[in-house]
Amino acid sequence: QLRLQESGSGLVRPAQTLSLTCAVSGGTVGSAGYSWTWIRQTPSKGLEWIGEIYHGESTYYNPSLKSRLSITLDASKNHFSLNLTSVTAADTAVYFCARGNLNDDNDVDFESWGQGTLVTVSS
Amino acid sequence: DIVLTQSPATLSLSPGERATLSCRASQTVNSYLAWYQQKPGRAPRLLIYDISNRATGIPARFSGSGSGTDFTLTISSLEPDDFAIYYCQQRRTFGPGTRVDIK
Repeated sequence: QLRLQESGSGLVRPAQTLSLTCAVSGGTVGSAGYSWTWIRQTPSKGLEWIGEIYHGESTYYNPSLKSRLSITLDASKNHFSLNLTSVTAADTAVYFCARGNLNDDNDVDFESWGQGTLVTVSS
Repeated sequence: DIVLTQSPATLSLSPGERATLSCRASQTVNSYLAWYQQKPGRAPRLLIYDISNRATGIPARFSGSGSGTDFTLTISSLEPDDFAIYYCQQRRTFGPGTRVDIK
């Protein structure tokens, strides 16, 4: 059974970089047909797709975050990571990693999720 | 960009009743839509994908339907475990959710 587990700093200072890693077990990040995805959730904006990376290491980012965002994949460690620079209080959220099931039309659904980790941006 | 609207925002029902949740897309992209259930402190759980296919382990009381821009999640007879928030999703956009609470 696929399992995903987020880890990283729970408190980030404004203007600093938010860094999270998602460890994958029961499957490999090198598998084709899947996207390795970051999603965040806030009370005000709900569920927000952040971005995703594929086994070939192509990435696809939310346009609203693209200038600050980097998602990378490390097949040797079977994990993928999120870096979000220049954070503000608006980036405070619960961050989830998930595996997306892709079809040929670029549709996706998210069957496997990590438990989520709260990241607070505050001085 | 797609905007998903869910209605009602809150649905107050009793166990055993039928729940009908609506999701409307701002445009027709294609007809692939997913539904999720989320409980407090938990990640969303995939219920339905591709409009009407139940995900692994999802009970038959959950069903999805619709086409074009209008989609429906139906829970035929609410169990106590079903009181939660439900989200629809199309492409990389999620709806705002419908809360199903106990009347």
